[in-house]
Amino acid sequence: NAGVTQTPKFRVLKTGQSMTLLCAQDMNHEYMYWYRQDPGMGLRLIHYSVGEGTTAKGEVPDGYNVSRLKKQNFLLGLESAAPSQTSVYFCASRAAGTRGETQYFGPGTRLLVL
Amino acid sequence: GNSVTQMEGPVTLSEEAFLTINCTYTATGYPSLFWYVQYPGEGLQLLLKATKADDKGSNKGFEATYRKETTSFHLEKGSVQVSDSAVYFCALSPYNQGGKLIFGQGTELSVKP
Repeated sequence: NAGVTQTPKFRVLKTGQSMTLLCAQDMNHEYMYWYRQDPGMGLRLIHYSVGEGTTAKGEVPDGYNVSRLKKQNFLLGLESAAPSQTSVYFCASRAAGTRGETQYFGPGTRLLVL
Repeated sequence: GNSVTQMEGPVTLSEEAFLTINCTYTATGYPSLFWYVQYPGEGLQLLLKATKADDKGSNKGFEATYRKETTSFHLEKGSVQVSDSAVYFCALSPYNQGGKLIFGQGTELSVKP
């Protein structure tokens, strides 16, 4: 069981470039999430999905898009990267339910935008 | 709205000292509460959780009690070890809102031998 995996681990982009971060989970979880982690700010939710083909905005969605074409994958796209998007990005997944289910996190993707 | 406030770090303790990391929250309804831990260079791992008032979550010697009257979920451990050095995040999940987590800013703990 790999759990939650993220690709790539590290990436450097120039301002204006685009990229896609891939998250994959092998736990058959319904729900998936993308967070960003910045110093002194904890983790903030970018977008999430409660099932294949569905997505919703989180706390900081501007500048990002997502897709959930397959249940096991959740893609995060940056169409035109900006230095403010320099961050560590974490994907997470959890089983469906209304209360207390655990989110399982990937190892993170470190992104530097120059 | 929903928010979580944690005590600021870094917190530096000697091995076998008592640990408390304060966490208070603001939420509508009845959220679930969590403590996650992040070791250097890794993702977050669940440490413990509680889903209703007066529940106590516990794991690896850590404990936290869901106090609705004080809107708190303070993390405690009676005797810390060097291996407990990490960043600790308090988080809440609002009821029936897709399971999203709202995090505090994190508290870095450093335990010296």
